[in-house]
Amino acid sequence: QKEVEQDPGPLSVPEGAIVSLNCTYSNSAFQYFMWYRQYSRKGPELLMYTYSSGNKEDGRFTAQVDKSSKYISLFIRDSQPSDSATYLCAMSAGAAGNKLTFGGGTRVLVKP
Amino acid sequence: DAGVIQSPRHEVTEMGQEVTLRCKPISGHDYLFWYRQTMMRGLELLIYFNNNVPIDDSGMPEDRFSAKMPNASFSTLKIQPSEPRDSAVYFCASSHWAFSGNTIYFGEGSWLTVV
Repeated sequence: QKEVEQDPGPLSVPEGAIVSLNCTYSNSAFQYFMWYRQYSRKGPELLMYTYSSGNKEDGRFTAQVDKSSKYISLFIRDSQPSDSATYLCAMSAGAAGNKLTFGGGTRVLVKP
Repeated sequence: DAGVIQSPRHEVTEMGQEVTLRCKPISGHDYLFWYRQTMMRGLELLIYFNNNVPIDDSGMPEDRFSAKMPNASFSTLKIQPSEPRDSAVYFCASSHWAFSGNTIYFGEGSWLTVV
């Protein structure tokens, strides 16, 4: 079993809909949680970063962390065709080494 | 800032040949990472450096892979001899541990095909 599980999708939604993405993990030592967006043939770029449990909002994006359930989520409101990409969750146990463990990524397609 | 710069962007080589991938991290970053991405295995950490010193190379698949960081602005990942199963996208990434907590910035990748 992988340390971080993420549904590969694809997830297809109409423009304007809410996109809901999630990851589960098994390592209770993870404290830092990130979401990366990766466009086709590009490197991942950081979208959201959260430390420990709670919610964080940035524009149309909301990240949620539930450490008790070992479950993290990313919501994209008012989705746009430009949001079509692969979304990867990533997490690490701490500042020592910044060693990230990634989920496999969920491919999202927002249809005009 | 120019971001993390990788070269070559694309490489096609024959099995058995040596492959060298290059990376220039973001200036001021003290961590450098090499990742490999495939459809089957996703994004995997191969090795990372802190202040030019290799810290964890447990992700390096085998002795055919080696990485060096001779100075703060340059790193190489070498595969010798290359095999078809090494075909993947190789990403270099860098970070500063004290900045925004563990945020890592990726280059655009080196797309390697071994035939």
